[in-house]
Parts: sequence; C-alpha cells; structure tokens
Amino acid sequence: NAGVTQTPKFQVLKTGQSMTLQCAQDMNHNSMYWYRQDPGMGLRLIYYSASEGTTDKGEVPNGYNVSRLNKREFSLRLESAAPSQTSVYFCASIREGYTEAFFGQGTRLTVV
Amino acid sequence: AQTVTQSQPEMSVQEAETVTLSCTYDTSESDYYLFWYKQPPSRQMILVIRQEAYKQQNATENRFSVNFQKAAKSFSLKISDSQLGDAAMYFCAYREGNTPLVFGKGTRLSVIA
Repeated sequence: NAGVTQTPKFQVLKTGQSMTLQCAQDMNHNSMYWYRQDPGMGLRLIYYSASEGTTDKGEVPNGYNVSRLNKREFSLRLESAAPSQTSVYFCASIREGYTEAFFGQGTRLTVV
Repeated sequence: AQTVTQSQPEMSVQEAETVTLSCTYDTSESDYYLFWYKQPPSRQMILVIRQEAYKQQNATENRFSVNFQKAAKSFSLKISDSQLGDAAMYFCAYREGNTPLVFGKGTRLSVIA
C-alpha cells in the first residue's frame, strides 16, 4: 500500500499564481487533514474533512480552499499565492474509530 | 480550544545518555489521546508512542517511554540510550474523539557523538 501520497513534493510559485496540492490515500480512511508547518510554529490545521462530502475550517484557513473529491482524495487550493504561504504542507488521514494519523511526505512550497 | 505546549525549542544529549522532552496540554476532557511524533530531516512524520488517557500505565516502546501525569496535564517523553538516529524534531500532539490532532511547536533534539 502507498499510504498517503502528496503531489508535488516541491513547488515554487510567484505571488498571485494559483495552484492545487493533491493528496490521496488508499487506506479507506474517512477523515483527511491539511496542515502547514512553519519554523517554531509546529503543525497548524488548515482544513479538514471528517467524511466524504464535508469540509471544515481549521486554525489557519485564510487564503485556502479545499475539495474532498471522493473518499480517497482531498485537495488544497491556493487561489492567489502570497509569500506568507511559504511553508511545508502535510496531508494526513485517520481511519474512523482509530487514533493513529498517517501522513504524506509533505510539499515544500515557496512563494516568491 | 485545546492547546499543547512544548517549552523546550531545542535540546541536546550525548550519545548513549538519557534525555526527557517536556509537553503540557490544556483540556477539560477526561478521555483523549496523546502522541509523540518524530520528524527527521526527511520530513517524514513518524509516530513514536501513543498514550490513552484512561490508562494509568505509562506507554513504552523500546527505548522510548512516557511519563503521563493526568492531573498535572503533563506528558513527557524519555529517550534512553540515545542514538545518532534519534536526532530530529519531536512533536507532542493531542486528540479527543474524532477531532483533528493538535500539535505543539516542537523540540529539536540534537545527539552529540
């Protein structure tokens, strides 16, 4: 099993450009999450999806949108990238009734 | 909202020695889970150890053990016989029910040969 797969691994954007970060899991998990990691700030929740068809804001949702396309896929979109969105982004998933989260390998995004 | 505090941004330990990383959390719930994750330079998030709040016994995984003090809302990680491969960022995390994981800001551990 591949687990949680994120694409791309690295990306450089210019201010104002848009892009979508893709996340897919093959473990039939209900819940999926997007976090951003910044130095000294830990991992902060951007958006999450408790089940297919539902999404909720996390701690730092401004400037982002998400789509839970189906049970497997949960994408994160930056409509107009800003330098403040330079970060490492992680997707994670958790199976219903369980506690362990499985993480993707992260996407390092730089906005110049 | 629940918060997780890691008061040590950086720690260092001599190889083969023991080190303890601190974590405190704030919650009004009685049933929840606590975790320590390791993040090496590869960026991969690796679950080190998990503790269920309803269990009084402290969790252990080989050289890793926790000191869970529920009343004090404290959850420290002890690494025994430290190895060079233990050098990483360590994150403490909290979860209740089906809510998302809440992370602390992390502690960067260096291991000195």
